[in-house]
Amino acid sequence: EMVMTQSPATLSVSPGERATLSCRASQSIRSNLAWYQQIPGQAPRLIIYGAFTRATGIPARFSGSGSGTEFTLTISSLQSEDSAVYYCQQYNNGWTFGQGTKVEIK
Amino acid sequence: EVQLVESGGGLVQPGGSLRLSCAASGIGFSTSEMNWVRQAPGKGLEWVAYISSGGGAIYYADSVQGRFYISRDNARTSLFLQMNSLRAEDTAVYFCARAAPRMGIQSPFDLWGQGTLVTVSS
Repeated sequence: EMVMTQSPATLSVSPGERATLSCRASQSIRSNLAWYQQIPGQAPRLIIYGAFTRATGIPARFSGSGSGTEFTLTISSLQSEDSAVYYCQQYNNGWTFGQGTKVEIK
Repeated sequence: EVQLVESGGGLVQPGGSLRLSCAASGIGFSTSEMNWVRQAPGKGLEWVAYISSGGGAIYYADSVQGRFYISRDNARTSLFLQMNSLRAEDTAVYFCARAAPRMGIQSPFDLWGQGTLVTVSS
């Protein structure tokens, strides 16, 4: 069974500062990793796929890295509108989501 | 306008059934692979079911296998989820989501509906 583990559970960052979110897969998923942003009351939105490719319309301050089992989502300069829960998802073998990281504006 | 719109949610008693629908517009629905994803109140996302563009390939999460059935009508550009033997733990917002085009079965989900709430309670 594939397990995706995200850390930290909550991240509090000041506007303009960098936010770094981690995601670990229980087995190698190559680069078949996506990140989603979910604002409360809204549907998830795809922001990164293929571990590092930004989806259409996603600002350049969002970047992804990693392969195999360790992945990172970085928001280079946090904006107020980035306050949300972020989920990683593996799609290498079925589809499995992490439990989410809540990003708060300090 | 490109959109997915779910409907059919509501309150149902344990053991009951419900059929969800997802109406697609503005996308090449007949060539789109589709999924259902759910989110229990205050919890994370859980993939539920997948169906290929022609309906020939179908997969389910273990938690719903044998109780839920995914189907589609390409002529009506609609996706369905028949949910039987419902349990309290099936209470969630159910989203339909499109698999990103031209990536095969190993695809993230690039288009989501707004979701429909299913509540299983007596």
